Amino acid sequence: QVQLQESGPGLVKPSQTLSLTCTVSGGSISSGGYYWSWIRQPAGKGLEWIGRIYPSGSTNYNPSLKSRVTISVETSKNQFSLKVSSVTAADTAVYYCARVQPWDYGNAFDIWGQGTMVTVSS
Amino acid sequence: DIQMTQSPSSLSASVGDRVTITCRASQRISSYLNWYQQRPGKAPKLLIYATSTLQSGVPSRFSGSGSGTDFTLTISSLQPEDFATYYCQQTYSAPYTFGQGTKLEIE
Repeated sequence: QVQLQESGPGLVKPSQTLSLTCTVSGGSISSGGYYWSWIRQPAGKGLEWIGRIYPSGSTNYNPSLKSRVTISVETSKNQFSLKVSSVTAADTAVYYCARVQPWDYGNAFDIWGQGTMVTVSS
Repeated sequence: DIQMTQSPSSLSASVGDRVTITCRASQRISSYLNWYQQRPGKAPKLLIYATSTLQSGVPSRFSGSGSGTDFTLTISSLQPEDFATYYCQQTYSAPYTFGQGTKLEIE
């Protein structure tokens, strides 16, 4: 079955760029008509959608983060990635990657990675 | 952005109880409403998508209903493993947005 795994530094300094990768195993990132998404959750708070990417490279971002976020895909490695620039303490959160079902399945996020904690601190 | 408002924010109940959580969207979202369960320290788990379709492997005691702007998640008979936080999510239009969560606690 398809599994997702986030990876990347757990500590990032303020003003620097946060970089995470999500590796998809058990299936091809390019098949099935799925989008792939990033979501984050500050400690004790709710979920915030960051953005999504299609295997073709087409992206959509949350306007609240759009100026600082880039999501990219590397189909040959079955991975997609997240970059958040100019980070502050407000970007400290658990970051999740997830698979997004096609529209006829409600665009629901059916498979999630386990999440990775990123702390922004000097 | 479409705002999602859940009620209540927290709920105390006992094993065997029937509970209902409500989610209201700030505008009509057709049937693009999903429900997730999140246990402490774990990733969210999809329970119901497209308002009322049970995700594969999810127990039938979970059900969803609604349309337009008002939606509900019902758990017919609470089990010990159901005590968790529940989130609704609209996927009608980007940016996809979540409710603030409902924490279901043991009474």
